[in-house]
Amino acid sequence: GAGVSQSPSNKVTEKGKDVELRCDPISGHTALYWYRQSLGQGLEFLIYFQGNSAPDKSGLPSDRFSAERTGGSVSTLTIQRTQQEDSAVYLCASSLNRANEKLFFGSGTQLSVL
Amino acid sequence: AQSVSQHNHHVILSEAASLELGCNYSYGGTVNLFWYVQYPGQHLQLLLKYFSGDPLVKGIKGFEAEFIKSKFSFNLRKPSVQWSDTAEYFCAVSVYNTDKLIFGTGTRLQVFP
Repeated sequence: GAGVSQSPSNKVTEKGKDVELRCDPISGHTALYWYRQSLGQGLEFLIYFQGNSAPDKSGLPSDRFSAERTGGSVSTLTIQRTQQEDSAVYLCASSLNRANEKLFFGSGTQLSVL
Repeated sequence: AQSVSQHNHHVILSEAASLELGCNYSYGGTVNLFWYVQYPGQHLQLLLKYFSGDPLVKGIKGFEAEFIKSKFSFNLRKPSVQWSDTAEYFCAVSVYNTDKLIFGTGTRLQVFP
């Protein structure tokens, strides 16, 4: 596609359930980022993938959060045993090579944990 | 750890007023600096960036930002705002030669006609 695609656009789940969020980066982009956007908190870095290198997981808030990127393209962010504080917009972004190049953002997944 | 501070959380201006949004970062080494903007209902997009050279950087839509190393600042400016500038503005920093981009908490700008 022409841009970064994220699905679903909205997800409502019950506390304790697992959720999977998907990101399709722009074709050919080797760098992929996940951020969490909460009201008043700005964009919180979660995880970064670059090519075949080990991902930078330093932003994941707990071991309930994990992410993988298959074949250097599609990425899935998984949140296990969701909590109400996980409610936020989860944004994915990609860039051609590195962060010092322009990041292209998706429209995000609005996650609501009831 | 590096961090980014945006002290103006919500700014309200009338059209034609001048704008300055503050951004300060905490890191003593070489940094790359960015401003991203999110217009209502749209994706985040790059407004301007600084890597090296002239500390006054010009971006799209008449925006500019000045890197002042001694103040660890990268403030965003526009001489005369328009209603269409209503958006949320995010400052971001990456440490030179790394790929981790850290964002500030954002500033919501409302411009009234």
